[in-house]
Amino acid sequence: DAGVIQSPRHEVTEMGQEVTLRCKPISGHNSLFWYRQTMMRGLELLIYFNNNVPIDDSGMPEDRFSAKMPNASFSTLKIQPSEPRDSAVYFCASSKEAGTSTDTQYFGPGTRLTVL
Amino acid sequence: KQEVTQIPAALSVPEGENLVLNCSFTDSAIYNLQWFRQDPGKGLTSLLLIQSSQREQTSGRLNASLDKSSGRSTLYIAASQPGDSATYLCAVAGGFKTIFGAGTRLFVKA
Repeated sequence: DAGVIQSPRHEVTEMGQEVTLRCKPISGHNSLFWYRQTMMRGLELLIYFNNNVPIDDSGMPEDRFSAKMPNASFSTLKIQPSEPRDSAVYFCASSKEAGTSTDTQYFGPGTRLTVL
Repeated sequence: KQEVTQIPAALSVPEGENLVLNCSFTDSAIYNLQWFRQDPGKGLTSLLLIQSSQREQTSGRLNASLDKSSGRSTLYIAASQPGDSATYLCAVAGGFKTIFGAGTRLFVKA
């Protein structure tokens, strides 16, 4: 299995532009998570989906952030408009048995976003 | 609200030394606790998972323990090697949510 795939790996954009990050989870996994990692705040959960349905988006910082999962093999995280403080590494992770004691999450390589 | 704290924040040891990384959490109602490794510029890789009913797990030179009642976990690395240099994160799962500690940055000197 190729693991969790994220694209792009690096994104540099200017303030005010729309940014779309993409994720392909591991086949057969029914839960998907978006995280943001910064030096100041560490790894923060933004939103998670179960069976393509958003379960908890309480970690989404503002209305500028939105996430979708149109099918079991694809998810997007969109920032519109982007701001310099959005600069971070964004990780996507998937798991097979979220909510169980044996569950483990598999992480993608991340997208490093820089907003100038 | 679950909070996860890791001590120390950074650690530098000579090759061959045994070491212990610490993790504490505030809410004992957890499903499991995991230790992850993160290399610079890379994603996280799960090293060990301890279910809430278990006390410890071992994988090669790694041993992780869990004491739910005191809200603590330790990751023991035996005979450290330069290849062990990375950031180690503790993560606590309760329901669908997993809360991560800030990590311990480990450097093993050759």
